[in-house]
Amino acid sequence: KAGVTQTPRYLIKTRGQQVTLSCSPISGHRSVSWYQQTPGQGLQFLFEYFSETQRNKGNFPGRFSGRQFSNSRSEMNVSTLELGDSALYLCASSLMPGQGEQYFGPGTRLTVT
Amino acid sequence: KQEVTQIPAALSVPEGENLVLNCSFTDSAIYNLQWFRQDPGKGLTSLLLIQSSQREQTSGRLNASLDKSSGRSTLYIAASQPGDSATYLCAVRRSNSGYALNFGKGTSLLVTP
Repeated sequence: KAGVTQTPRYLIKTRGQQVTLSCSPISGHRSVSWYQQTPGQGLQFLFEYFSETQRNKGNFPGRFSGRQFSNSRSEMNVSTLELGDSALYLCASSLMPGQGEQYFGPGTRLTVT
Repeated sequence: KQEVTQIPAALSVPEGENLVLNCSFTDSAIYNLQWFRQDPGKGLTSLLLIQSSQREQTSGRLNASLDKSSGRSTLYIAASQPGDSATYLCAVRRSNSGYALNFGKGTSLLVTP
């Protein structure tokens, strides 16, 4: 069974631009979560989606948004990029929200210049 | 707010040693606890998941224990190998409405030949 896939793997953007990251969960997994990882803050929860609905949201500004499609694939969008948004963005999937193990993708490395 | 702390932040051991990584959390009302491994620049690999009703889980040379009352978990690695070198992360999932994982900052492990 294929693991969690994320595209693109690397991205360089300029301050003020916007970016969209994509995540395909493990087949059969319906819950998708997004995390931001930085050297200073570590791993921080962004949001979780299940059945195309955002079920939970972390403490991030409204510039960070996401959505989930009927096939459970998810995208996250960051608008008006800031230098501090440079990070590794990780997507994780699980069968159902809060149940069982979360399986992580390889991440998207975003660099904002 | 759930705080997760991992001690030590870094550890270097010679090959063959048994070692213990520590994780503590402030709120004992947890749903489960998961240990991950992260190689440099990569995503997270799930190692062990312990449900709140369990005391320990084992997988190969790894054993994780959970003591909810004291807010502690330990990851025991037997007969360490250079391939075990990575950052080990502990993550706690709360029991309340939010199903997000709260991560510690990790322990960076180096096993020298």
